[in-house]
Amino acid sequence: GENVEQHPSTLSVQEGDSAVIKCTYSDSASNYFPWYKQELGKGPQLIIDIRSNVGEKKDQRIAVTLNKTAKHFSLHITETQPEDSAVYFCAAMINYQLIWGAGTKLIIKP
Amino acid sequence: ETGVTQTPRHLVMGMTNKKSLKCEQHLGHNAMYWYKQSAKKPLELMFVYSLEERVENNSVPSRFSPECPNSSHLFLHLHTLQPEDSALYLCASSQVEGGNYGYTFGSGTRLTVV
Repeated sequence: GENVEQHPSTLSVQEGDSAVIKCTYSDSASNYFPWYKQELGKGPQLIIDIRSNVGEKKDQRIAVTLNKTAKHFSLHITETQPEDSAVYFCAAMINYQLIWGAGTKLIIKP
Repeated sequence: ETGVTQTPRHLVMGMTNKKSLKCEQHLGHNAMYWYKQSAKKPLELMFVYSLEERVENNSVPSRFSPECPNSSHLFLHLHTLQPEDSALYLCASSQVEGGNYGYTFGSGTRLTVV
C-alpha cells in the first residue's frame, strides 16, 4: 500500500528565513497531495494542495512543488513569521483516502 | 469554526465507563472519518464512512464502535477503554468525487482514560 515519509520531524528557523519540508510517497497512482497545518488545541487545517498534473502551486508565502518522477513533494514557506509555528502534515491520496506523513514541528525563532 | 463540530472538547472517563463522541458536519460532504492522534505518532485512521458505506480499519479494538446515522453525523461509542486509549480523537469530512478532495477537520476531543 501507499507509504508517505516526511522530513524533518523538527525544523527550527530564524524569523524571516525560509522553511522547507519534504515528503516522499511510494504509490505512483497517488493523484492529490495536500498540506495541513495544526496549531495547538486545534485540528489540522488545509493550507495548500496540489494535483498530480501540476508541478508547482503558490499562495502568497507558501508554495508546494511536486516531482512525480521522483515521487516527492515539498512545502516551501518564505519570510517565516511567528504565527507559522505549528505542526505540518503532508499526505498523499489514493482511492479517495489520504495517507499521512508523520508531521514536522516548525519552530520560528525570534 | 471549520464546518465540522466535535463534542465534547474534553472527556475524562474511567475504564468501566461508556461514553460517546459526537461529530457533525455542515458542509454537505458525503464521507466522514475518525482519526486517533497520539503524541509523537502519525495520524491513525480508525473508521471511514464513505458514500454510506463503512470502511473499517481491522486493527481498531472492538471497544471502539462507530455509528453514522446520516451523512452529517458521526459518533464514536466508547466502552471499557484502556489508559493507552488516551489521545486526541479527530473527526473529518470530505467530498468523495467531484474534484474537491480536501478533508475538513474538527477541533477534536481530548480523551483521558483514568
